[in-house]
Amino acid sequence: GENVEQHPSTLSVQEGDSAVIKCTYSDSASNYFPWYKQELGKRPQLIIDIRSNVGEKKDQRIAVTLNKTAKHFSLHITETQPEDSAVYFCAASIDSGNTGKLIFGQGTTLQVKP
Amino acid sequence: NAGVMQNPRHLVRRRGQEARLRCSPMKGHSHVYWYRQLPEEGLKFMVYLQKENIIDESGMPKERFSAEFPKEGPSILRIQQVVRGDSAAYFCASSPTGGNTEAFFGQGTRLTVV
Repeated sequence: GENVEQHPSTLSVQEGDSAVIKCTYSDSASNYFPWYKQELGKRPQLIIDIRSNVGEKKDQRIAVTLNKTAKHFSLHITETQPEDSAVYFCAASIDSGNTGKLIFGQGTTLQVKP
Repeated sequence: NAGVMQNPRHLVRRRGQEARLRCSPMKGHSHVYWYRQLPEEGLKFMVYLQKENIIDESGMPKERFSAEFPKEGPSILRIQQVVRGDSAAYFCASSPTGGNTEAFFGQGTRLTVV
C-alpha cells in the first residue's frame, strides 16, 4: 500500500526565514497531495493542496511543489511568522475507487522563533 | 454552516469498557472518514463510510472496533473492551463527494483508557 515519509520531524527557524518540509510517497498512482496544519490540541486544517497534473501551486506565503518522477512533494513557507508554529502533515491519496482515503506523513513540528 | 462536530471531546474509560465516539458531518456531506492519531504521530486512516455503507475499512483493527453511519444521525465509532493502547485522538473528517476533494476535520475525541 501507499507509504508517505516526511522530513524533518522538527524544524526551528527565525521569524522571517523560510521553512521547507519534504515528503516522499511510494505509490506512483497517487494523484492528490494535501498539506494540513495542526495547532496544539486542535483539528487538522487544510492549508494547500496540489494535484498530479500540476507541478507547483502558490497561495500567498505558502507554496507546494510536486515532482512526480521522483515521487516527492514539498511545502515552502516564506517570511515565517510566530503564528506559523504548528505541526504540519503532508498526505497522499489515490483516486482509484474514488475513496479519498488519505495516507499521512509523520508530521513536522515547526517552531518559528520571534 | 457548522463544521464537523465530534463528541465527546474527551472520554475516559476503564480497561474493558466500551467507548462510543460520535461524528456529525458538515451539512450536505455524506462521506465520513475516521482517523486515529497516537501521541506525537501522524493520522492513520481507519475507515471510510457513506450513508449506511462501509466503503473501506482497511485501517480498522480486526477485533473490538466497528463503525457505522446510519441513514439518520451521526456516524459512530465503537471500541469494545478498550485497552490502554487504544488511548489516542480520534478524528472524523467529512467531504461532500468523496474522492480527492478537501476533507474537513472535526475537533477530535481524545480517548484515555485508565
